[in-house]
Amino acid sequence: DQQVKQNSPSLSVQEGRISILNCDYTNSMFDYFLWYKKYPAEGPTFLISISSIKDKNEDGRFTVFLNKSAKHLSLHIVPSQPGDSAVYFCAASATGGDDKIIFGKGTRLHILP
Amino acid sequence: EAGVTQFPSHSVIEKGQTVTLRCDPISGHDNLYWYRRVMGKEIKFLLHFVKESKQDESGMPNNRFLAERTGGTYSTLKVQPAELEDSGVYFCASSRQTSGWDTQYFGPGTRLTVL
Repeated sequence: DQQVKQNSPSLSVQEGRISILNCDYTNSMFDYFLWYKKYPAEGPTFLISISSIKDKNEDGRFTVFLNKSAKHLSLHIVPSQPGDSAVYFCAASATGGDDKIIFGKGTRLHILP
Repeated sequence: EAGVTQFPSHSVIEKGQTVTLRCDPISGHDNLYWYRRVMGKEIKFLLHFVKESKQDESGMPNNRFLAERTGGTYSTLKVQPAELEDSGVYFCASSRQTSGWDTQYFGPGTRLTVL
């Protein structure tokens, strides 16, 4: 039973445009949400996070939005650059518990020239 | 500051053999986690150490898997005997704080292939 769902296995976006990656979760106990980026043959690299007490967190070109009522979060990348081509994992954790991260299956982002 | 390192990067073994994976966390990080990604599936939690103690091992698939972290520094994950379904990429992650949330930093992973 998947608690974190990324329904788009892949996404192609023109360089310079906005990339929007979506994620849904089912567990109401999750209170911390993260996005990791992964290149081939490397481990996941932390990108950005958001606590459940916020609905938006911004870091440079990356913004994460959280809609708790819909149990939905999204990652916006503006503007998209060629180096953004990677697999993006949405993840969540219930910090009152054991801090383990629950991952989605990932979305492969292709930035087109 | 050196990142999380894992050894070996690849391991190919036959069914029934034993393999030991090693993880060196970032220096000073008390939390150490093992995760696994089987092909086509999501990255799944295996277990969590706080220093040398197992905090949570609810994700360990079965008793063929044994994780240790003697001395609270590096950790090993032994699979004995290995089965075909154990193939996948094994990631290690570490974080600093033992209370509250702290970012988990991942190593490059060990790709295990069981033939």
